[in-house]
Amino acid sequence: DAKTTQPPSMDCAEGRAANLPCNHSTISGNEYVYWYRQIHSQGPQYIIHGLKNNETNEMASLIITEDRKSSTLILPHATLRDTAVYYCIVRGWGAQKLVFGQGTRLTINP
Amino acid sequence: NAGVMQNPRHLVRRRGQEARLRCSPMKGHSHVYWYRQLPEEGLKFMVYLQKENIIDESGMPKERFSAEFPKEGPSILRIQQVVRGDSAAYFCASSPEADANYGYTFGSGTRLTVV
Repeated sequence: DAKTTQPPSMDCAEGRAANLPCNHSTISGNEYVYWYRQIHSQGPQYIIHGLKNNETNEMASLIITEDRKSSTLILPHATLRDTAVYYCIVRGWGAQKLVFGQGTRLTINP
Repeated sequence: NAGVMQNPRHLVRRRGQEARLRCSPMKGHSHVYWYRQLPEEGLKFMVYLQKENIIDESGMPKERFSAEFPKEGPSILRIQQVVRGDSAAYFCASSPEADANYGYTFGSGTRLTVV
């Protein structure tokens, strides 16, 4: 699976949109981009995933560049409860496990 | 639809004892994954199981650790003769299929403390 690069930490003001970047320049055509988050010491929580097209659900939006070498997770109206470590993971077709990196520690400030 | 259930939530064992961690996957999910998170560290894959089969155990320590997912009942992660370094959070996840278009659902974890 392709490696991902994320900033180690980010801050965002409450109520604003949080935009978390992820680079995956070696991604191949059949690899999905997944986002998970871990709030404090809870179990990781699935947020969203996509292959080529942008995706949106009740939690977030995922914007994947046309060349697929990078993506951005958008939390449209961040709240204090969105403070967590966010993981961007690339998972290939047939890959049976998710490999977590260090993620981005997002802090939402009041 | 209940989520992934792990128990116990907290487990304290003395050095040399055995620890058994249980994981019941979501209904309809036949694929189970175990991860370990040491204090202040990231999530590390341990093992992937389907019913009655170990598919990938590349992340399992070579000794003292074993996992099973029987035809009936929960998946069990077993740690024999625990040592202080086994103190960690152990998370289980399940999915309905193994292919890349299906995400995992994680449980709340078992916090193992070895004293």
